[in-house]
Amino acid sequence: GNSVTQMEGPVTLSEEAFLTINCTYTATGYPSLFWYVQYPGEGLQLLLKATKADDKGSNKGFEATYRKETTSFHLEKGSVQVSDSAVYFCALERFSNDYKLSFGAGTTVTVRA
Amino acid sequence: DAGVIQSPRHEVTEMGQEVTLRCKPISGHDYLFWYRQTMMRGLELLIYFNNNVPIDDSGMPEDRFSAKMPNASFSTLKIQPSEPRDSAVYFCASISQGSNTGELFFGEGSRLTVL
Repeated sequence: GNSVTQMEGPVTLSEEAFLTINCTYTATGYPSLFWYVQYPGEGLQLLLKATKADDKGSNKGFEATYRKETTSFHLEKGSVQVSDSAVYFCALERFSNDYKLSFGAGTTVTVRA
Repeated sequence: DAGVIQSPRHEVTEMGQEVTLRCKPISGHDYLFWYRQTMMRGLELLIYFNNNVPIDDSGMPEDRFSAKMPNASFSTLKIQPSEPRDSAVYFCASISQGSNTGELFFGEGSRLTVL
């Protein structure tokens, strides 16, 4: 079945550091891939997505590239800010006969000033 | 649009009491999901509906949990009787199968504490 494995946290960084959160997936066919972010006290919200191989999703300085050859969708940001402190979830979606969305376990990121 | 609306935002109750959580999905969305989030188990899918019909309830922990969707604009998740281990944040989310973004929209969650 479809599943997502993401890097375990927590991750603690200093402001302006480089952030990478690894995400790999197992799926049949050609799923869409997402990163969701959850800020403290809030629900999850979409950060970025990619719908096919080699697509790059980007938003708020974050990027992730859909790599079919390595079944990966790693999240990166070149210079993090304190406001990026949140929990990040990798997710895989299939919309065929029915809707399937699989979330990773989430990675807690704390950015210190 | 107001987004997915959940109530109450916070609920504190005593063990054995009935708890009802409510959700209003985004208008026009035909899928509705209930998730539970805890530190120990992370984000868990409890149940989801398509056009008000329950499709997969395999994530519902036990018979104490039940969910209904009487119409396209309202869903409830009920716990009876509640237990301390049910303490968690419960999220409702919705999406339209016709969506061209594939984005699942989440409510702000209902934080439940069972004493």
